[in-house]
Amino acid sequence: SAVISQKPSRDICQRGTSLTIQCQVDSQVTMMFWYRQQPGQSLTLIATANQGSEATYESGFVIDKFPISRPNLTFSTLTVSNMSPEDSSIYLCSVGRTGVTEAFFGQGTRLTVV
Amino acid sequence: SQQGEEDPQALSIQEGENATMNCSYKTSINNLQWYRQNSGRGLVHLILIRSNEREKHSGRLRVTLDTSKKSSSLLITASRAADTASYFCATDNRGNTGKLIFGQGTTLQVKP
Repeated sequence: SAVISQKPSRDICQRGTSLTIQCQVDSQVTMMFWYRQQPGQSLTLIATANQGSEATYESGFVIDKFPISRPNLTFSTLTVSNMSPEDSSIYLCSVGRTGVTEAFFGQGTRLTVV
Repeated sequence: SQQGEEDPQALSIQEGENATMNCSYKTSINNLQWYRQNSGRGLVHLILIRSNEREKHSGRLRVTLDTSKKSSSLLITASRAADTASYFCATDNRGNTGKLIFGQGTTLQVKP
């Protein structure tokens, strides 16, 4: 298993500003992912955070809007840039290990943009 | 993109009754997983069924998989008020990238 600490747990932000969300894992993991969950919706994958290189983004998500860092095997950040009310969602960090199919999730960051 | 549909979208039952949720998916898979989410928080893994399995049990959970119909069902027996949550199915892609594609989810309310 993996214990994931995600910060902040929630925030209310002004439109036009940026928020950086942190994801810390208690052990080294192979894979780290960021998901978005819009109100009342399911989870959508934003990107795969790659250690030491640029993240791999899914269709519809771009680096300028959602810059991601992963400096080592236990830590990653997701920034939501130039926020608008449409960015109000829960953002979730997820980790996985090679050969282990179960994914582990942080508690999520509930973001409200006003 | 979403993998498929889950039904029902919402389910309300009395404590002690069984709850059945269904999930359909579109592409070939290695496995299908079910997750639970309490009140918009993090997801908790419940059970995994591999593409060569047809049925799997874990405690009060029973999962079936029909790869010919690209569908799965989750049965929770003898439900409890604490089972109130949202339930999501998730599939991998056969490239073993670790990425999951989630269904739309079923919101289950168990009334005491």
